[in-house]
Amino acid sequence: SQKIEQNSEALNIQEGKTATLTCNYTNYSPAYLQWYRQDPGRGPVFLLLIRENEKEKRKERLKVTFDTTLKQSLFHITASQPADSATYLCALDMDGNNRLAFGKGNQVVVIP
Amino acid sequence: GAGVSQSPSNKVTEKGKDVELRCDPISGHTALYWYRQSLGQGLEFLIYFQGNSAPDKSGLPSDRFSAERTGGSVSTLTIQRTQQEDSAVYLCASSFQVGGNNEQFFGPGTRLTVL
Repeated sequence: SQKIEQNSEALNIQEGKTATLTCNYTNYSPAYLQWYRQDPGRGPVFLLLIRENEKEKRKERLKVTFDTTLKQSLFHITASQPADSATYLCALDMDGNNRLAFGKGNQVVVIP
Repeated sequence: GAGVSQSPSNKVTEKGKDVELRCDPISGHTALYWYRQSLGQGLEFLIYFQGNSAPDKSGLPSDRFSAERTGGSVSTLTIQRTQQEDSAVYLCASSFQVGGNNEQFFGPGTRLTVL
């Protein structure tokens, strides 16, 4: 079955720097890959979706890349702010069965 | 507009009791998903509904778990004879339709504690 790997260690980063998170997957390549943000005690919030034929997607200070050869997506937060502190989840579509598989998430802590 | 709502926000129950968790999806969304999130773990898929099609129940962990969606809108997740390992946050999400190209909108979750 598809495995999704995100770094279990929190990423501590200085305000203003770029935070980069990695999402690796095994087996088949998904047609779509999504990133969500989750704050403590809340449900995840959708951030970005990237398709397999797209190499990069941007939204404000966020950038996502998708490398189907490496089976990896990178998620970047540029000019990070303390308000960006949260857990970020990647999610992949599950080969034609209409649902998403989520990674465990990677926590980001932006230090003022 | 209103987002996805869930009730109750917290539920404490005794082992062996039945519980019902409710989800109100965004109006017009045909797809509805239930997930479970244990402490420090990722989202575990439980079940999804798409329109009038038969639900995908492949993620339900045991036959103590069931869900229904009435009138293509509100959904109820029922856990019978609760066990301590059922303690988790139960999240509901809806999307315009099923498929990985559709973003999911999540509710705030129901935190279930089984004593």
